[in-house]
Amino acid sequence: AQKVTQAQTEISVVEKEDVTLDCVYETRDTTYYLFWYKQPPSGELVFLIRRNSFDEQNEISGRYSWNFQKSTSSFNFTITASQVVDSAVYFCALTSYSGAGSYQLTFGKGTKLSVIP
Amino acid sequence: DAGITQSPRHKVTETGTPVTLRCHQTENHRYMYWYRQDPGHGLRLIHYSYGVKDTDKGEVSDGYSVSRSKTEDFLLTLESATSSQTSVYFCAISEKAPGTSGGGTGDTQYFGPGTRLTVL
Repeated sequence: AQKVTQAQTEISVVEKEDVTLDCVYETRDTTYYLFWYKQPPSGELVFLIRRNSFDEQNEISGRYSWNFQKSTSSFNFTITASQVVDSAVYFCALTSYSGAGSYQLTFGKGTKLSVIP
Repeated sequence: DAGITQSPRHKVTETGTPVTLRCHQTENHRYMYWYRQDPGHGLRLIHYSYGVKDTDKGEVSDGYSVSRSKTEDFLLTLESATSSQTSVYFCAISEKAPGTSGGGTGDTQYFGPGTRLTVL
């Protein structure tokens, strides 16, 4: 069975600090996909990024960056120079196809980030 | 933003009553999903659909049923609501099956705004 662990339940940082949200996953499938979603206080779920298991290139998008390491089964998310608007719950997710119509969809329990002005 | 709506957005009901939640999409995506979100549990998949009249169970399907008679609508029914089903319910859609897009991104799930259900 798949598993996604977000060990940090809650994190508080002061505005402009950098913060890294950890995501560790387990899967038996050789091809899989990793995602990050943001859930602001308003409640909607916003897609941030998708990463293939065969593409370990890190990605940067503005103040956001993602570090994917297959060797440690991790897909960590870093926010540089955090802002109050970054306050949200962030979810890491894992999907894969195990064959015979067996789709695996697993979300982590989320990390609540509070950015203090 | 993906065109996904959920109705109702809020509902309070009593134990033992049937409840139906509706998810409607305008993207013509084949795959639709129902999740529930609870504190300490993150998002858990209830049921999903891979086409009209084609559905399958997820991780927490007990007590729930679904139907999909049209591409655009995916209904979640609680036949006899219980207090343990108090939760926030999210619908999601994707163009392609999860974990099968290769180099594309069609398996990305986009979520509706959620329905807050309280069972008294």
